[in-house]
Amino acid sequence: DTEVTQTPKHLVMGMTNKKSLKCEQHMGHRAMYWYKQKAKKPPELMFVYSYEKLSINESVPSRFSPECPNSSLLNLHLHALQPEDSALYLCASSQGPGDEQYFGPGTRLTVT
Amino acid sequence: GENVEQHPSTLSVQEGDSAVIKCTYSDSASNYFPWYKQELGKGPQLIIDIRSNVGEKKDQRIAVTLNKTAKHFSLHITETQPEDSAVYFCAAGLFSGGYNKLIFGAGTRLAVHP
Repeated sequence: DTEVTQTPKHLVMGMTNKKSLKCEQHMGHRAMYWYKQKAKKPPELMFVYSYEKLSINESVPSRFSPECPNSSLLNLHLHALQPEDSALYLCASSQGPGDEQYFGPGTRLTVT
Repeated sequence: GENVEQHPSTLSVQEGDSAVIKCTYSDSASNYFPWYKQELGKGPQLIIDIRSNVGEKKDQRIAVTLNKTAKHFSLHITETQPEDSAVYFCAAGLFSGGYNKLIFGAGTRLAVHP
């Protein structure tokens, strides 16, 4: 089973809202990732968590705040987003930080 | 840093034909090369990958070849079917900073016509 689940599937939020994206995997993977994908573009890495610790932040603006409450769960907290932040947000996980990455279905975010 | 070029950007084939997508990378230290298939409205699905100590890998109708000297790798799909229609992304992975950083190509939109 290589399933990564993400909720919600779609999210519309205003620029003053606070919302969270959720990602879950029950494969015992110890590395989890957040990617952003704009239309007709490849995924771009945002954050890497390795063994529940933030190991990589790819210079992401502070209006995106990741959290890893436990080894199965990854959240992305959103606050004061801009319309250009509208995109598909993908979560991925891997057995270890050097192993193959499996993606979830994504959350389609629209900022109005 | 690493740069991955992917060609063609679009590919149209008849059902039953073969499809080939090619990628080149710039950093000779890259050592992991996955291919992802992304259908409309879905997340990328890992379909095959290869590591730098292997020249070719096959899984049913899908194969990947790697030429480390020339720094290019290719995806081959034989006997294509309409359900193979999707966007395919190659990536080059480099283990650095404690994780495998993937640099993706721009993607190839494959259309298989019945």
